[in-house]
Amino acid sequence: EAQVTQNPRYLITVTGKKLTVTCSQNMNHEYMSWYRQDPGLGLRQIYYSMNVEVTDKGDVPEGYKVSRKEKRNFPLILESPSPNQTSLYFCASSLGSSRGGQYFGPGTRLTVT
Amino acid sequence: RKEVEQDPGPFNVPEGATVAFNCTYSNSASQSFFWYRQDCRKEPKLLMSVYSSGNEDGRFTAQLNRASQYISLLIRDSKLSDSATYLCGGGDSWGKLQFGAGTQVVVTP
Repeated sequence: EAQVTQNPRYLITVTGKKLTVTCSQNMNHEYMSWYRQDPGLGLRQIYYSMNVEVTDKGDVPEGYKVSRKEKRNFPLILESPSPNQTSLYFCASSLGSSRGGQYFGPGTRLTVT
Repeated sequence: RKEVEQDPGPFNVPEGATVAFNCTYSNSASQSFFWYRQDCRKEPKLLMSVYSSGNEDGRFTAQLNRASQYISLLIRDSKLSDSATYLCGGGDSWGKLQFGAGTQVVVTP
């Protein structure tokens, strides 16, 4: 089954404790992206990757890191989480940024206390 | 000002009626446009891509107006199951994608 998976689905952590949210897709997609969704603000792009070893900043990259060492995986790293990073996070993938729509993962609800 | 703006709604629509709403974008570099459907904080799901010539998929019709920088979605013969939040998104050729905050549609019996 074609899908994007994210782990964990729910996470409560404390300020400053490094965490990684994994994202994996099995569709051989070149393009992958991370978003955060907050009430009233919609989906905002954090980072995206056009292909392996190619990543770039979206609209809200501060406080986040990513890597794309393999085509299927695109982890999101929060080196020192803060309460303002409490949000719903989605990973997505597609053939290309403008080729067809994106497939979204199920989301990760992160709470930073 | 957000790059992509949507009327948040809610649009309350009687079952069987037609509803239409727009999304405006300010990034003139945007080349590809999409409508997504999102149910209650679940993951967005692609509803349809939007092409300059306009396109239709069953009861859904999408239009793109590049001159005025907006895209539209029309839903005919609304069903209860159409109740959701509809997100519009636009992307440039370099990989940047931006979304609106969504338009809520509530279809009532």
